[in-house]
Amino acid sequence: DGGITQSPKYLFRKEGQNVTLSCEQNLNHDAMYWYRQDPGQGLRLIYYSQIVNDFQKGDIAEGYSVSREKKESFPLTVTSAQKNPTAFYLCASTPEGSYNEQFFGPGTRLTVL
Amino acid sequence: AQSVSQHNHHVILSEAASLELGCNYSYGGTVNLFWYVQYPGQHLQLLLKYFSGDPLVKGIKGFEAEFIKSKFSFNLRKPSVQWSDTAEYFCAVRPPGTGGFKTIFGAGTRPFVKA
Repeated sequence: DGGITQSPKYLFRKEGQNVTLSCEQNLNHDAMYWYRQDPGQGLRLIYYSQIVNDFQKGDIAEGYSVSREKKESFPLTVTSAQKNPTAFYLCASTPEGSYNEQFFGPGTRLTVL
Repeated sequence: AQSVSQHNHHVILSEAASLELGCNYSYGGTVNLFWYVQYPGQHLQLLLKYFSGDPLVKGIKGFEAEFIKSKFSFNLRKPSVQWSDTAEYFCAVRPPGTGGFKTIFGAGTRPFVKA
């Protein structure tokens, strides 16, 4: 089945540690996205990538980093510089043409202790 | 600041009642509009979308939305809700000038349908 996988589903880290969230898609989509979802705030864009080896900052990129070395993979690193990292993180993708809906993964809930 | 506003963050209604969730946006020009739904424990998924043409858009599961350009609105409706419609609903706007890659989401509305 085609889709987006995110792992792990739940992640716990100590304060001050960097952590990398995985996102893989087998939909052959060009664009990929990372969002952060907090209660009452909807989804906020962290980073997005239109093509391999290229990515742009979203609205809340501070304290996060990404890479796009392969079309199917778009990992997100939450660094120790992110002041409030505990959140639900969603990865999404869209096919070529951009004027299409986004397809979402199941999300990773990160808790920093 | 430009934004997407959803009204009635929490709504309680009975089965068979009609549902209307409000969405207003503040972007000018040609926008693409979406409603996404997140059922408990499931992926966020598309309910319906509007790009052009007939401003009344029909989606999955009996939902529809009406684009009113003069009011900058894209309200979601369902004539008769079911218990299974309990979920979180997000309005989203793809504003012009972003190359089609940036989507702005509202804060979400969570109607609770009593069985």
